[in-house]
Amino acid sequence: SQTIHQWPATLVQPVGSPLSLECTVEGTSNPNLYWYRQAAGRGLQLLFYSVGIGQISSEVPQNLSASRPQDRQFILSSKKLLLSDSGFYLCAWDRTDYGYTFGSGTRLTVV
Amino acid sequence: AQKVTQAQTEISVVEKEDVTLDCVYETRDTTYYLFWYKQPPSGELVFLIRRNSFDEQNEISGRYSWNFQKSTSSFNFTITASQVVDSAVYFCALRGNNQGGKLIFGQGTELSVKP
Repeated sequence: SQTIHQWPATLVQPVGSPLSLECTVEGTSNPNLYWYRQAAGRGLQLLFYSVGIGQISSEVPQNLSASRPQDRQFILSSKKLLLSDSGFYLCAWDRTDYGYTFGSGTRLTVV
Repeated sequence: AQKVTQAQTEISVVEKEDVTLDCVYETRDTTYYLFWYKQPPSGELVFLIRRNSFDEQNEISGRYSWNFQKSTSSFNFTITASQVVDSAVYFCALRGNNQGGKLIFGQGTELSVKP
């Protein structure tokens, strides 16, 4: 079956620490993958998208980076977290006829 | 540029009332897709519907219905006989004919259904 996994579910990290959030999909190949952030106030902001291995497009300048080391793996990273990086991070997979399918999200609090 | 506007930030209704969530979009693409998602308190985004720009037929799924009107660039969502379980944030989204299939979201409407 086709599913998307995202972890961890919650994370509390100190300012200046590194970050690594992982997203994987199952049951498909060569998916388009996306990272969104939802800050307080609800809006969903597209951070990165990837149409294939090693192909990353950034939508907004920021303290974060993304990588796609394998076809079905998408990683969101930071070398040094800022307070402003706090938020709810969602990975998504474009299932075309079914729209996007989202992971369960990671709630990141930077303290 | 592409944009989605959900002018209603919060809506509060009493159970069994009908409620309509508004969505207005902007795009220069002739081919595009519109979506609605539901985000319950758990945070996960749940896909509700996808509509392409060439299909203006209204859609009904149980208590949910959608009204797509290209003339006014609107894609409104109506919940009939609302229930407490309908309480959530609802997002309208647009995907144009862009590289990467990027989905642009509105700011969301928080619906509160009280018993």
